[in-house]
Amino acid sequence: NAGVTQTPKFRVLKTGQSMTLLCAQDMNHEYMYWYRQDPGMGLRLIHYSVGEGTTAKGEVPDGYNVSRLKKQNFLLGLESAAPSQTSVYFCASSLLLAGDTQYFGPGTRLTVL
Amino acid sequence: GENVEQHPSTLSVQEGDSAVIKCTYSDSASNYFPWYKQELGKRPQLIIDIRSNVGEKKDQRIAVTLNKTAKHFSLHITETQPEDSAVYFCAKQSYGNNRLAFGKGNQVVVIP
Repeated sequence: NAGVTQTPKFRVLKTGQSMTLLCAQDMNHEYMYWYRQDPGMGLRLIHYSVGEGTTAKGEVPDGYNVSRLKKQNFLLGLESAAPSQTSVYFCASSLLLAGDTQYFGPGTRLTVL
Repeated sequence: GENVEQHPSTLSVQEGDSAVIKCTYSDSASNYFPWYKQELGKRPQLIIDIRSNVGEKKDQRIAVTLNKTAKHFSLHITETQPEDSAVYFCAKQSYGNNRLAFGKGNQVVVIP
């Protein structure tokens, strides 16, 4: 049982390049989330999903797109990376939507030059 | 309504002493209050949580208290140990809201 995994662990992009971050969970969780973590800013929700085929905007969705084609996977895309998107990205999943533990992945450190 | 404030930003304690971190919120509909611990370079992990129908919850050396009237909740760590050094995030969730709102985090440093 691997829990929540993320690929890649590190990535460096040039401004304007695109990439996709992959999150996978093997806990059969319905709900999945993408956060970004910046120094002194805590964890901010980018997008989330309440089930396969559904996505919703979080607190800071601009510049990102997501897809949940399979229940176990949640993809975060950057179509045209900007230096402001330099951050550590965490994926999380939970069994229930409200009042439940969120299990986090190990994070992806992204640098945009 | 979604914001949650954490104080202080950094807390240094001598090993064996207690540490207390307080979070405040403004939304009366908030009903779930978890605390996450993040060690350096690691992922956040839930350490304790409390719901609005309970005033206090303990788990060994950690406890969380909730004051709904004053709209604040606190994390208490007793007999601190070096492995308690980490960033601690409080969070809250409200009725009808699908997401957690996290505080900005508190750095706790336990001095041996």
